[in-house]
Amino acid sequence: DGGITQSPKYLFRKEGQNVTLSCEQNLNHDAMYWYRQDPGQGLRLIYYSQIVNDFQKGDIAEGYSVSREKKESFPLTVTSAQKNPTAFYLCASSIRGTQETQYFGPGTRLLVL
Amino acid sequence: DAKTTQPTSMDCAEGRAANLPCNHSTISGNEYVYWYRQIHSQGPQYIIHGLKNNETNEMASLIITEDRKSSTLILPHATLRDTAVYYCIVHRPQGGSEKLVFGKGTKLTVNP
Repeated sequence: DGGITQSPKYLFRKEGQNVTLSCEQNLNHDAMYWYRQDPGQGLRLIYYSQIVNDFQKGDIAEGYSVSREKKESFPLTVTSAQKNPTAFYLCASSIRGTQETQYFGPGTRLLVL
Repeated sequence: DAKTTQPTSMDCAEGRAANLPCNHSTISGNEYVYWYRQIHSQGPQYIIHGLKNNETNEMASLIITEDRKSSTLILPHATLRDTAVYYCIVHRPQGGSEKLVFGKGTKLTVNP
């Protein structure tokens, strides 16, 4: 089945630690996105990538980093510089074109110990 | 992207049609109306989208008014599994370089 996978489902981070969230898609989509969702809130864009080896900052990129070495993969690293990392992280992908429906993964919930 | 207004919550009886309204009075000509839903603790799920014509797929129907200032998502026979937050989003595709703006959405509860 085609789709987007995110792992792990739950992730725990200690103070001062970097953690990496995985996002993989087999939909052959060019564009990929990372969003953050806080309880009772909408989604906020962290980073996006339109093509391999290229990515752009979204609205809340500080404290996060990404890479796009393969079309299928867009991992997100939450660094120690992100002071409030506890949130639900969502990865999405889309075809670049005139009607760019974004398809989302199941999400990773990050908790700080 | 233009803003949307949706009711905070709605209830629907199982087996009945659920009609979820959305107001987008400032929509511009090249903006599409998208609907997503999010079941608790899961990623948003795409439902349907349209520009000006009514659309139907296996999940739902989308009715857009002629002036495009409002739309209605119709789930023809709601089930308990349709309980979720439904988001109406107005969005202009720009080559994969923009975010979807999710508001608070409508919390739909389907009752047995």
